[in-house]
Amino acid sequence: DSGVTQTPKHLITATGQRVTLRCSPRSGDLSVYWYQQSLDQGLQFLIQYYNGEERAKGNILERFSAQQFPDLHSELNLSSLELGDSALYFCASSVGPSPGELFFGEGSRLTVL
Amino acid sequence: EDQVTQSPEALRLQEGESSSLNCSYTVSGLRGLFWYRQDPGKGPEFLFTLYSAGEEKEKERLKATLTKKESFLHITAPKPEDSATYLCAVQANRGNTGNQFYFGTGTSLTVIP
Repeated sequence: DSGVTQTPKHLITATGQRVTLRCSPRSGDLSVYWYQQSLDQGLQFLIQYYNGEERAKGNILERFSAQQFPDLHSELNLSSLELGDSALYFCASSVGPSPGELFFGEGSRLTVL
Repeated sequence: EDQVTQSPEALRLQEGESSSLNCSYTVSGLRGLFWYRQDPGKGPEFLFTLYSAGEEKEKERLKATLTKKESFLHITAPKPEDSATYLCAVQANRGNTGNQFYFGTGTSLTVIP
């Protein structure tokens, strides 16, 4: 058990809809990272928050947004969903602002029909 | 363009048959190279960090090495429980977009009893 909690584990929705994925980092970790993993693309970095502030940005679509709250949990919002958004979405956390030894959650599997 | 390439994509070994997995990278401003293990349906689990050419790290049957252009994960006398996907990741400084963390697509290892 990594100590990182993600909900929901599974989510099925329709194209055009909006969903929110939630992540609670390990106790004491200040950074939260979001990754998308699909079969053909591997793990793609989306965005990082450190202590409530955006720290680094990867290939995150404009339809996607994230935030980190004062209690350090984070939410990833995916809107105007398309079939191609179907993937595993992982949250990871680390103590400091630089990635490295990341602790990953079990992931949220999103299926867009 | 920053790139992380892992080979082979898949590897089948007999129990006790040693081998190596390769991770080659073309990244400027490398800050570190990381190895992770991912079991099916789970989040990646941190294994090693390597920071400079010539560095080596060991853990049980695994040994990671780093050169200026690639890293190897050597598996000595593997057991069936070593079956997993092994992911390589590099951290690079990207100025105003922050530290980026690029994952390879992984090597799927199967160890046959």
